[in-house]
Amino acid sequence: NAGVTQTPKFRILKIGQSMTLQCAQDMNHNYMYWYRQDPGMGLKLIYYSVGAGITDKGEVPNGYNVSRSTTEDFPLRLELAAPSQTSVYFCASSYSNRNQPQHFGDGTRLSIL
Amino acid sequence: QQQVKQSPQSLIVQKGGISIINCAYENTAFDYFPWYQQFPGKGPALLIAIRPDVSEKKEGRFTISFNKSAKQFSLHIMDSQPGDSATYFCAAPGASGSRLTFGEGTQLTVNP
Repeated sequence: NAGVTQTPKFRILKIGQSMTLQCAQDMNHNYMYWYRQDPGMGLKLIYYSVGAGITDKGEVPNGYNVSRSTTEDFPLRLELAAPSQTSVYFCASSYSNRNQPQHFGDGTRLSIL
Repeated sequence: QQQVKQSPQSLIVQKGGISIINCAYENTAFDYFPWYQQFPGKGPALLIAIRPDVSEKKEGRFTISFNKSAKQFSLHIMDSQPGDSATYFCAAPGASGSRLTFGEGTQLTVNP
């Protein structure tokens, strides 16, 4: 079973470039999340979605955009990459937002130079 | 907004010892308090979770203790093994039960 698949695994961007981080899940989960993980800072929620067509901001949404056109996919868009966005990005999904575990992908390691 | 404080930041334990990681949350929360385990290069994976209607949950060598009045919960790893070396995150739901807030993580090293 694939679970949550994130692509690419690694990427280096130049300041001002844009890119899309892909996330797909095959568990038919309604809820999907994007987190960033910085050393010693834990996981910070960027955006989340409760179903196709519905997205909402998390703790640190500035500089990012998301869309959810299907249940399976939840891409994260960086429009104007900045050095502060250097991080490891994790996508996760869950069946519901209560009493259910979140299943994480293996992350995208992004460096902005 | 939920605040979760996790301690210690790092922990070194000898093989066979007990590892203890603590978390405290601020806002009234309910439903579900999970612990996640993360190995280098991998995403976090659910280790064990507790609901606040019980004070303790045990799964193998891993135990969660929950103190609702103190708004604290802890992870105990008995007979710690080198394979337990990883980063551990606690999480707590928000006041409305919606989305989880994660602690800052504890890097556990178990020496052989």
